[in-house]
Amino acid sequence: AQSVTQLDSQVPVFEEAPVELRCNYSSSVSVYLFWYVQYPNQGLQLLLKYLSGSTLVKGINGFEAEFNKSQTSFHLRKPSVHISDTAEYFCAVSEIDSGYALNFGKGTSLLVTP
Amino acid sequence: NAGVTQTPKFQVLKTGQSMTLQCAQDMNHEYMSWYRQDPGMGLRLIHYSVGAGITDQGEVPNGYNVSRSTTEDFPLRLLSAAPSQTSVYFCASSYEWSTEAFFGQGTRLTVV
Repeated sequence: AQSVTQLDSQVPVFEEAPVELRCNYSSSVSVYLFWYVQYPNQGLQLLLKYLSGSTLVKGINGFEAEFNKSQTSFHLRKPSVHISDTAEYFCAVSEIDSGYALNFGKGTSLLVTP
Repeated sequence: NAGVTQTPKFQVLKTGQSMTLQCAQDMNHEYMSWYRQDPGMGLRLIHYSVGAGITDQGEVPNGYNVSRSTTEDFPLRLLSAAPSQTSVYFCASSYEWSTEAFFGQGTRLTVV
């Protein structure tokens, strides 16, 4: 069975600064990896996903993530954040042992201030 | 397009009461799932379904029942509500597990 660890519960950052949200996972088999974003009082929205192929994946709103198999990590990055990026970010994995249902990390709250 | 629709949006129950949270999707997705979201806990999988007539337990299934009689609907039943079930519940659906999961807007449940 897999587990997902988001290493930072809160990340404060100034507008236009770069940001990295960290995610590590543990699994003994191949996995699919996802990042979702949740704006206040809303459901979750897919930012990006890694299934196979290139380890650098690009998503919506200028976000990207890099899959590192040796370090079992899937960190999310953005070179310059906006106030509107303030939200909760969730890393998730799925694997065949759980019927491929999503297993989420506990989330990272990104707070962008002027 | 409606996407994933959850009803009700808010609900207050007394301990011991039962109720059903409704989830419907109009995208003909085979895969559907229920999560609960609690502060500092992220989203935890309650039950999931890979198609009509097929369901399985997730991480936190106790106290909840599901059935999937149609592709469109995946209701979640609380048999005897407890204060520990106070949470925000999300339903999600996807065409396949490797594709984007679409989430409903959530049901905020309080058990007193």
